[in-house]
Amino acid sequence: AQSVSQHNHHVILSEAASLELGCNYSYGGTVNLFWYVQYPGQHLQLLLKYFSGDPLVKGIKGFEAEFIKSKFSFNLRKPSVQWSDTAEYFCAVRQGSSNTGKLIFGQGTTLQVKP
Amino acid sequence: DTGVSQDPRHKITKRGQNVTFRCDPISEHNRLYWYRQTLGQGPEFLTYFQNEAQLEKSRLLSDRFSAERPKGSFSTLEIQRTEQGDSAMYLCASSFEGETQPQHFGDGTRLSIL
Repeated sequence: AQSVSQHNHHVILSEAASLELGCNYSYGGTVNLFWYVQYPGQHLQLLLKYFSGDPLVKGIKGFEAEFIKSKFSFNLRKPSVQWSDTAEYFCAVRQGSSNTGKLIFGQGTTLQVKP
Repeated sequence: DTGVSQDPRHKITKRGQNVTFRCDPISEHNRLYWYRQTLGQGPEFLTYFQNEAQLEKSRLLSDRFSAERPKGSFSTLEIQRTEQGDSAMYLCASSFEGETQPQHFGDGTRLSIL
């Protein structure tokens, strides 16, 4: 069965520090990849997505992610975090070769940015 | 705001009771999804509809769970004979059809079983 693993459950950073959150998935076929963010008290929002083409994708608020097929990874990065980036971050995978709408989510990473 | 709307936001009920949640998707979206999220975990897929057709159901969706989308617009998720393990946040999402279309999530309904 497909699965998604996020290595860091809780990350604490100071403002201006660089961020990298790990995400690995277990499916060997074509995949669509997503990062969602949930700010305190808000609903899940799409941060960025990868379907095909350039493996380095840019999202909102200065976030980017790199798809490395050989490593089954889709790590999220930001060069300099802000206090407002405090949130929970979820990596999600969709089986790309089928018509399924199902997303498989990782368990999430809580990011706390100290001012 | 014309996002995905879920009702109620919170539901507290006694074990053994039936509960029903409603989801109103973004009006132009023909796909609607239900997920369940427990504390410290990511959302788990339950089922999804394309228009009024229920196209996929997770094995997590036991016989006590039923979802409908009768007119291809709003959807309901019913849980019969609730159990302690049903306590969770129930999330609804909607999207256009197509693999490149992202899912837009609602705020969820938090279910607490006493």
